[in-house]
This record gives sequence, C-alpha cells and structure tokens, in this order.
Amino acid sequence: ETAVFQTPNYHVTQVGNEVSFNCKQTLGHDTMYWYKQDSKKLLKIMFSYNNKQLIVNETVPRRFSPQSSDKAHLNLRIKSVEPEDSAVYLCASSHGDWGGANTGQLYFGEGSKLTVL
Amino acid sequence: GDSVTQTEGPVTVSESESLIINCTYSATSIAYPNLFWYVRYPGEGLQLLLKVITAGQKGSSRGFEATYNKETTSFHLQKASVQESDSAVYYCALVPDTNAYKVIFGKGTHLHVLP
Repeated sequence: ETAVFQTPNYHVTQVGNEVSFNCKQTLGHDTMYWYKQDSKKLLKIMFSYNNKQLIVNETVPRRFSPQSSDKAHLNLRIKSVEPEDSAVYLCASSHGDWGGANTGQLYFGEGSKLTVL
Repeated sequence: GDSVTQTEGPVTVSESESLIINCTYSATSIAYPNLFWYVRYPGEGLQLLLKVITAGQKGSSRGFEATYNKETTSFHLQKASVQESDSAVYYCALVPDTNAYKVIFGKGTHLHVLP
C-alpha cells in the first residue's frame, strides 16, 4: 500500500522552464529524501531532510532546491531545467531514529519522470 | 568513496531455477556498513527486501537470502527456486555512516523469470 505520494508522475518540458515535484508521506516519519535515477539507472541521493531541517545536500546544481513546509511534505523545485535533468526523481521517507533499528529502511514513492526536450 | 557494484542485467532465468545476483561494496567511512537489498516490482515503489547490519550474519525474506561477508566485501542475493512473481529490479545498497542520513544504491539488476 502506497504511503509516499508523488505528483506529477510524468512531466515533459523544455529547456529553461521551471518544474516542481511534490511529495507527501502519511507514515508519520521524520526524515524525507529526494533521489535521482538517471538513464543508466543509478540512484543518487540529492537531499535529506530531518524534521524540516536540511541534513544532506549532495553535489547538486544550484537550480535544484528542496522545500519542506512540514515533516510530511518535501517538494523539489528545478529552476531553469537542462537536458541532463531528464531522469526519474524518487521521494522517500524513513523513521527519525537513524542509527537505530530502522537505519537505512526507506519507503519510496513511485517516482516522477521528467523529460526535458 | 562509498559504492556498491552489482550484477549487470538483465538476468533471465526459468521458473524453479536457482538465482544469484552478485553485490560487492566499498565503504570508506565505516568498517562494517549496514547492507540492504531493495526490490522494485512492476508498477510498485522501491521497497526493502532484506537487511543485515552485522558482519557474518545472514538475512532472508520471501525465500531470498544474503550473507554479509566482510572478507570478500560481498552481499550476494540468492534464491534456490525462483518464481515468475520474482520478476523485478533488485538493488543492493549500504549505509556508509550511521550518522549520515543517506543510503547508497547500486545500479540495480533487472530479473526476468520465465514461466
């Protein structure tokens, strides 16, 4: 049963446009993530938020910005998309007790596929 | 750096055959990282299949097993007899540092099980 919801599931746009992806989790988790899955299927972490605080910010171009209004929501905005931004963006959440029994157990949404023409 | 390397896919096997998907890891932040197998079934989100946090231990779920081998830095996924419903993409993963909120994934292995 899906508990991490992403919208939209697909988006096609042109170079230079702005795009936003929304993510909501109903699991009561404290931590949320954005991952990027490129054409080679490699999953790379982009951002992690714990209790609305940014805690992981990998080497990501500045045109990417995460936005968290509360623990249950983590959106991703891409300002002025580039062709290399074409990918599937995966949102995930986890319990806040990182370092405890739930370490590494992520719950994923179904993904948002971005195509940049 | 921290990384995971796994069998390149796609892998095709017939139902009731045995399966092994290889996974090796490299962890520079911590000697014994937590290791995981995730799976993505068609039409579903990526989900945890099994995990092992102690070197030398074995994890199991849905008939799949994986043993944490610190000598060979491997965490191969095995199943004695696959079913058509096992067709999915399998990802090996690790947590390099229990203080860092991130999971490092391999590229995934697409498994096709023929009826």
